[in-house]
Amino acid sequence: AQSVTQLGSHVSVSEGALVLLRCNYSSSVPPYLFWYVQYPNQGLQLLLKYTSAATLVKGINGFEAEFKKSETSFHLTKPSAHMSDAAEYFCAVSDTKTSYDKVIFGPGTSLSVIP
Amino acid sequence: NAGVMQNPRHLVRRRGQEARLRCSPMKGHSHVYWYRQLPEEGLKFMVYLQKENIIDESGMPKERFSAEFPKEGPSILRIQQVVRGDSAAYFCASSPTGEIEAFFGQGTRLTVV
Repeated sequence: AQSVTQLGSHVSVSEGALVLLRCNYSSSVPPYLFWYVQYPNQGLQLLLKYTSAATLVKGINGFEAEFKKSETSFHLTKPSAHMSDAAEYFCAVSDTKTSYDKVIFGPGTSLSVIP
Repeated sequence: NAGVMQNPRHLVRRRGQEARLRCSPMKGHSHVYWYRQLPEEGLKFMVYLQKENIIDESGMPKERFSAEFPKEGPSILRIQQVVRGDSAAYFCASSPTGEIEAFFGQGTRLTVV
């Protein structure tokens, strides 16, 4: 069975500092991996996705993530945090790129940005 | 093209009442997914529908919960005889093809008192 863990339910960074949000997955087949952002009282927005092409994936708002099969990780990074990045971030895994009902979401990491 | 629209945004129900949550997918999208989000947890899949068909309801509680996506009109998630444990945010997502490019609505936050 697939699963996703996100280390750190809350992360605080200073404005301008590096953002690193951790995601580890387990999957018996090559996975499809996703990062979503959720702003307060909003729905989820897709930041980026890995679908077995390049291992370094660039997304919106300056975020990127690197798929490391040996570490079963898909950590999300951004070189310089902005105040507007404060939100909840969810990592997700699927064994198929079709059929959204097979996507498993992690518990989320709340990012705070300190001025 | 308007996004996925959910209403109401907030819903308060007393224990034992019925809750009806509506989701209007994006124009041209025929695939709808419902998720539930409990505090401090990620989204949990509930049900996947296409027009007039339930494709996968493996995440739906067996009792009190039902969903439909009629030929005309929004998708409806119905919760009968609500209990305190039903309090959560319910999100709808839609997709044109079923592939993982779904767009999410802003959610309905249900509070059972």
